[in-house]
Amino acid sequence: DAMVIQNPRYQVTQFGKPVTLSCSQTLNHNVMYWYQQKSSQAPKLLFHYYDKDFNNEADTPDNFQSRRPNTSFCFLDIRSPGLGDAAMYLCATSGAGTGSYEQYFGPGTRLTVT
Amino acid sequence: AQKVTQAQTEISVVEKEDVTLDCVYETRDTTYYLFWYKQPPSGELVFLIRRNSFDEQNEISGRYSWNFQKSTSSFNFTITASQVVDSAVYFCALSGQGAQKLVFGQGTRLTINP
Repeated sequence: DAMVIQNPRYQVTQFGKPVTLSCSQTLNHNVMYWYQQKSSQAPKLLFHYYDKDFNNEADTPDNFQSRRPNTSFCFLDIRSPGLGDAAMYLCATSGAGTGSYEQYFGPGTRLTVT
Repeated sequence: AQKVTQAQTEISVVEKEDVTLDCVYETRDTTYYLFWYKQPPSGELVFLIRRNSFDEQNEISGRYSWNFQKSTSSFNFTITASQVVDSAVYFCALSGQGAQKLVFGQGTRLTINP
């Protein structure tokens, strides 16, 4: 089945130790998103790629970076994780620009910072 | 600015009861899209429905139905004959023309008790 895949599902990292979360999709969607979701809150958009164009949200900390080497893959890099970065990280895709505007989400990666 | 308000933070009902989740939105766009997502305890956001601003027809899908009223800027979601498996957090969301970014409401935690 076509889907959005996130690895790993659970990630534990140490304070200040760089970590990379990955997302892949088989939907061939042109837009990929990264969201941060903390407990009992709505998902918060960090950034998104429209094809190769990177779009950063104004309030996304510099500590968060992203790479999209090709259509199928997108990575979230947290350069120096702090305790406040512990959250669920959700990747999503959409075919915006091709008439398909709903976003499809992966299962998420739950990040713990020790 | 766009905004989505889900005034009900938590709802708890007994199985087989009908339940309606409210969603009120604000936007200045003439073309916009409304969505409902379900987030079960596993954490993955599951797409339920998309509605375009120019299509006010109500929709029914099994036990789920949606009532879109532009006059009151509302997009309410009703579950008929609720089941325990319906227990989840439900998010209403809005995107504007271009449809690249979602604005989420704060979510409603629905608990269906046996």
